[in-house]
Amino acid sequence: SYVLTQPPSVSVAPGKTAMITCGGNNIGSKSVHWYQQKPGQAPVLVIHYDSDRPSGIPERFSGSNSGNSATLIISRVEAGDEADYHCQVWDGSKDHVVFGGGTKLTVL
Amino acid sequence: QVQLVESGGDVVQPGGSLTLSCAASGFIFSSYGVHWVRQAPGKGLEWVAFIRFDGSSKFFADSVKGRFTISRDTSKNTLFLQMNSLRTEDTAVYFCAKGGRTVVIPFDYWGQGTLVTVSS
Repeated sequence: SYVLTQPPSVSVAPGKTAMITCGGNNIGSKSVHWYQQKPGQAPVLVIHYDSDRPSGIPERFSGSNSGNSATLIISRVEAGDEADYHCQVWDGSKDHVVFGGGTKLTVL
Repeated sequence: QVQLVESGGDVVQPGGSLTLSCAASGFIFSSYGVHWVRQAPGKGLEWVAFIRFDGSSKFFADSVKGRFTISRDTSKNTLFLQMNSLRTEDTAVYFCAKGGRTVVIPFDYWGQGTLVTVSS
């Protein structure tokens, strides 16, 4: 089955740029979606189709996808960005939705 | 506004059964695919099941295939998850999530979740 690999944790100082990776075999050929989840809350879609922002998501959030890795980029990180981030793809070969293991973003 | 409200979570013994519901509002329920996703305590998200807008296709994670059933009642704007032969590893918060009209993902709206605990 298709596997997505994320680092368990990423730390960044306020005002800096955070980059969270999502690795998968030829993931560049798939559409990647990213969700932000704060403790005790439901996930929120922050990036869809690799790099597009849904309505209401700050421009500080962006994404890229190429080769075997997709990346969520958060610029000018704020304390309120501290959360778990999950990547997601559709595995058409098995008709399965696949999530990465999630990355905890800590703002120092 | 779009709302998804799950209910039915409970404590159940291993081997038991439980049915979860998800009441949808604020969108044309009959036009969208919907999903169940779960999250075990302290763990990541795990997709569970999907049902197409018209109920014609249903997909399941390997971990629940043959034990869980997904269905929808368009007249009541409600999604269901029938869970049988429950195991301790099924313990999780279960979320329903709205998919697209012509695509399975992404999920643009989620419910707040309902807790299922499988324990003797």
